[in-house]
Amino acid sequence: DGGITQSPKYLFRKEGQNVTLSCEQNLNHDAMYWYRQDPGQGLRLIYYSQIVNDFQKGDIAEGYSVSREKKESFPLTVTSAQKNPTAFYLCASRTGQGNYGYTFGSGTRLTVV
Amino acid sequence: QKEVEQDPGPLSVPEGAIVSLNCTYSNSAFQYFMWYRQYSRKGPELLMYTYSSGNKEDGRFTAQVDKSSKYISLFIRDSQPSDSATYLCAMSGGAGGTSYGKLTFGQGTILTVHP
Repeated sequence: DGGITQSPKYLFRKEGQNVTLSCEQNLNHDAMYWYRQDPGQGLRLIYYSQIVNDFQKGDIAEGYSVSREKKESFPLTVTSAQKNPTAFYLCASRTGQGNYGYTFGSGTRLTVV
Repeated sequence: QKEVEQDPGPLSVPEGAIVSLNCTYSNSAFQYFMWYRQYSRKGPELLMYTYSSGNKEDGRFTAQVDKSSKYISLFIRDSQPSDSATYLCAMSGGAGGTSYGKLTFGQGTILTVHP
């Protein structure tokens, strides 16, 4: 079955650590997105990529970094510069052919300990 | 002011009730409108997708878009306990616009349907 796989499901980070969240899709979608979800704030866009080797900052990119070396993969690194990283992180993808609906992964819950 | 406003609720209704969920928006470039359903600790799943103004029906769900008022709605008829979830509206602009391909989400409305 085609879909988006996010791992791990739960992640704990110590203060000052960088952590990387994995996102892999086998849908042959061109565009991929990272969102952060906090209670009462909906989904906020962190980074997105329309094609391989290219990505753009979203609305809340500070303290995060991404790479897009392969079409299937779009990992997100939460750096120590992100002061409030505890949140639910969602990866999504969509075809670039005019269909604007996203397919989402099941999310990663990141907690700072 | 946020580009998309959605009442977060929470909304609690009895089984069988008609549910109305709404969003307003300020960006007149938005042309594609979606509703997502999100169960607890899961990723959102696409429920309804509408282009421009008008109505779209799919089973118990009806999506309405009024671009002149910048207002979209989702109606759920004969609501069931399995409809209990967070409902997110989302929208995007057309090709060539700065919001092309990027979805802007509302805050989400938490819905509980009790037996």
